Amino acid sequence: EIVMTQSPDSLAVSLGEKATINCRSSQNVLYSSNNKNYIVWYQQKPGQPPKLLFYWASTRESGVPDRFSGSGSGTDFTLTISSLQAEDVAVYYCQQHYITPWTFGQGTQVEIK
Amino acid sequence: QVQLVQSGAEVKKPGASVKVSCKASGYSFTTFDIHWVRQATGQGLEWMGWMNPNSGHTGHAQRFQGRLTMTRNTSMTTAYMELSSLRSDDTAVYYCTCRYATGAIAWGQGTLVTVS
Repeated sequence: EIVMTQSPDSLAVSLGEKATINCRSSQNVLYSSNNKNYIVWYQQKPGQPPKLLFYWASTRESGVPDRFSGSGSGTDFTLTISSLQAEDVAVYYCQQHYITPWTFGQGTQVEIK
Repeated sequence: QVQLVQSGAEVKKPGASVKVSCKASGYSFTTFDIHWVRQATGQGLEWMGWMNPNSGHTGHAQRFQGRLTMTRNTSMTTAYMELSSLRSDDTAVYYCTCRYATGAIAWGQGTLVTVS
């Protein structure tokens, strides 16, 4: 099983400032035949299902504001919010779908400082 | 677009079974695997298993061995997840998900199962 580890567990950022969330996989999740990283990022607010932000680690889902960006390859990935807005308060998860069992990071709570 | 709509909330007694449905639309149902994920209140996301809607072949996390059954009705484009021998720690929101051609992953709205 691939273990996904996010850091930090929580962070408080001032409005308009940058928030950075890291995600590390215990194994490589870059599939060499298509050069794609099997990583997605979600945002989850209370009482809602996870909302897809990025797939293939850095492809932004339609409708996601461009203040969000995803990067990384292999085993290390990053979600960045360039200018935090009040509506970005949520828990963020990374997930690998390279192999089953699909596994998730433990989540990062983002709050306003 | 891909849409997954799940059945409503359930309350079950310990030892009972629950069956959650997931109706897919917006794509050819037999093309992409359906995965099930659950989330206990205030907790993270836990993958349970997957099913190929074309063949009916399934796979599951070891911890659900013997308790998890995933089926489908292709004419109704609906997948089903049945969990038996329910315990209080099975209380959670259960989601169906689907990774489709672009690599994106769609989620159902979730079904709260309460065991009490």
